[in-house]
Amino acid sequence: DADVTQTPRNRITKTGKRIMLECSQTKGHDRMYWYRQDPGLGLQLIYYSFDVKDINKGEISDGYSVSRQAQAKFSLSLESAIPNQTALYFCATSDGKPGQGANGELFFGEGSRLTVL
Amino acid sequence: AQSVTQPDIHITVSEGASLELRCNYSYGATPYLFWYVQSPGQGLQLLLKYFSGDTLVQGIKGFEAEFKRSQSSFNLRKPSVHWSDAAEYFCAVGARSGGGADGLTFGKGTHLIIQP
Repeated sequence: DADVTQTPRNRITKTGKRIMLECSQTKGHDRMYWYRQDPGLGLQLIYYSFDVKDINKGEISDGYSVSRQAQAKFSLSLESAIPNQTALYFCATSDGKPGQGANGELFFGEGSRLTVL
Repeated sequence: AQSVTQPDIHITVSEGASLELRCNYSYGATPYLFWYVQSPGQGLQLLLKYFSGDTLVQGIKGFEAEFKRSQSSFNLRKPSVHWSDAAEYFCAVGARSGGGADGLTFGKGTHLIIQP
């Protein structure tokens, strides 16, 4: 089984619908992230969480919300989806920054492809 | 805030030829640096990373990268590419300390095409 699991892997929805993307991990990491990937733009950080009580906005958080239900679970919601939110979404985990006794590497799920019509 | 530039959007290389993918970063101190690869339909896999010490780092699949502080670069190299190396490659930089956004900042990626 994958260390970082995202569901659903693919979703097609309509404008205005509420969508939730779920992420669970077995790495035991405290830090979890949601990134969005668009062709030619690389990965952009949406939200990140250091633990269940610490959630922070990334560079493109507008139109998104998150919930950290447990150390292992981090969900991304689109309250009212719009076509320009069509993208590939990645969840990732980390054990922290190097120099703090951590590895610093991000471990990624396989992605959730969302299409908003 | 840190930033990453990958100047080449697409690179085409013949199978068996050498490869160099460029990465330049902007950060006020010594960063930590990564190269990730994304095969079609897949997530991102770590190729290699630099934290400190030897500036030439070895990674998986025969890749290596060299950190050059004077040039703010972390270029990825491979002496002989294989058709299976065709993928999207991302350079990423992380801040060693301070507050602000956590996580890594990614470049926009370089799409590698391998010619037979």
